[in-house]
Amino acid sequence: LAKTTQPISMDSYEGQEVNITCSHNNIATNDYITWYQQFPSQGPRFIIQGYKTKVTNEVASLFIPADRKSSTLSLPRVSLSDTAVYYCLVGDNNAGNMLTFGGGTRLMVKP
Amino acid sequence: DAGVTQSPTHLIKTRGQQVTLRCSPKSGHDTVSWYQQALGQGPQFIFQYYEEEERQRGNFPDRFSGHQFPNYSSELNVNALLLGDSALYLCASSPLAGRTYEQYFGPGTRLTVT
Repeated sequence: LAKTTQPISMDSYEGQEVNITCSHNNIATNDYITWYQQFPSQGPRFIIQGYKTKVTNEVASLFIPADRKSSTLSLPRVSLSDTAVYYCLVGDNNAGNMLTFGGGTRLMVKP
Repeated sequence: DAGVTQSPTHLIKTRGQQVTLRCSPKSGHDTVSWYQQALGQGPQFIFQYYEEEERQRGNFPDRFSGHQFPNYSSELNVNALLLGDSALYLCASSPLAGRTYEQYFGPGTRLTVT
């Protein structure tokens, strides 16, 4: 499985756009990029998944450049409730549902 | 539609004891995975159950075992507890035929071994 690297922590203020970048230099052709969000004392929650270019849903956008060696999760106009740990995962959708989490990025949103 | 439920919420055990944790998957899901999350770290995959059989296993010793019932609910058993087994144990469910990386997690069981 491709190894991912993302910042350990980030700080932001309410109303700002937050971009969290994940590096995955060894991504394979069949790999998808998925982001999960985890609040304290809760299980992770699926946010968004993509293969290439840009994906947008009601929560976030995911930008993937042509070489797919990195990806950026974009959270528009964050609020205090977006304070959480964000995990970037890379893997083959046929890998049998096993998720490999790294250390994640701890996002702190300040008032 | 209930999501993934886990019981108990919290548990305190002594070294050497055995523990059983329980999980009910989201309605319509047939695959259950278990993860261990130590404080400050990401979840680590323990194993996955489908059709009442262990389908995949992570790098965990045989002290960790599981079971899946005909109604798709699952149990995680840990024998001979060690202090290092203290963690949040998460259960996740998904439809095997669905998108692999969209799994639904329960709130977890916080296990403390003293």
